[in-house]
Amino acid sequence: DAGVTQSPTHLIKTRGQQVTLRCSPKSGHDTVSWYQQALGQGPQFIFQYYEEEERQRGNFPDRFSGHQFPNYSSELNVNALLLGDSALYLCASSLGTGLEPQHFGDGTRLSIL
Amino acid sequence: AQKVTQAQTEISVVEKEDVTLDCVYETRDTTYYLFWYKQPPSGELVFLIRRNSFDEQNEISGRYSWNFQKSTSSFNFTITASQVVDSAVYFCALSGSYSNYQLIWGAGTKLIIKP
Repeated sequence: DAGVTQSPTHLIKTRGQQVTLRCSPKSGHDTVSWYQQALGQGPQFIFQYYEEEERQRGNFPDRFSGHQFPNYSSELNVNALLLGDSALYLCASSLGTGLEPQHFGDGTRLSIL
Repeated sequence: AQKVTQAQTEISVVEKEDVTLDCVYETRDTTYYLFWYKQPPSGELVFLIRRNSFDEQNEISGRYSWNFQKSTSSFNFTITASQVVDSAVYFCALSGSYSNYQLIWGAGTKLIIKP
């Protein structure tokens, strides 16, 4: 039973570029949440997707956008990258309301030069 | 506003000692959920426990136990007879009721178990 998978594992970009991160949820899960985790800090909620709609959004600018596909996989897009976007981006999946325990992937380490 | 505070940035103990990780939360919701997650050096967050606001019973799972006290807004985590494999960063998190799905996380406590 595959868990949450994220790609790529690592990514290096320069300021102003755009990036797309991908996530496949755990089998049977229909809800995907994205988090940003800066070094030495707890994760910060970016948004959650359910039934291909953004259900809730955290305090992140519009440069951060996402999408959920019919197979429940999801993408996180970040435009006009800033140095401060350097972080570990975590994808989590769960079932239904999103209050169920979330299962996390290994994350994508994004470095902005 | 919701907030989770983990005041202990780093704790270092010798193997087999008991250790307690503190978590204090703030919320105006009457229904909420509290979580503990473990993040080993590999980076993947691992779910440990979920507790809802109406269940104040303490929970024990092997060497792990959790003490939930609404009166002090605390949800503390104790590891008994710690082992080197327990070394990780531990996060406490809070989510709201059915219309508020985001998890609010503490800054984490880095636990180092020395052999």
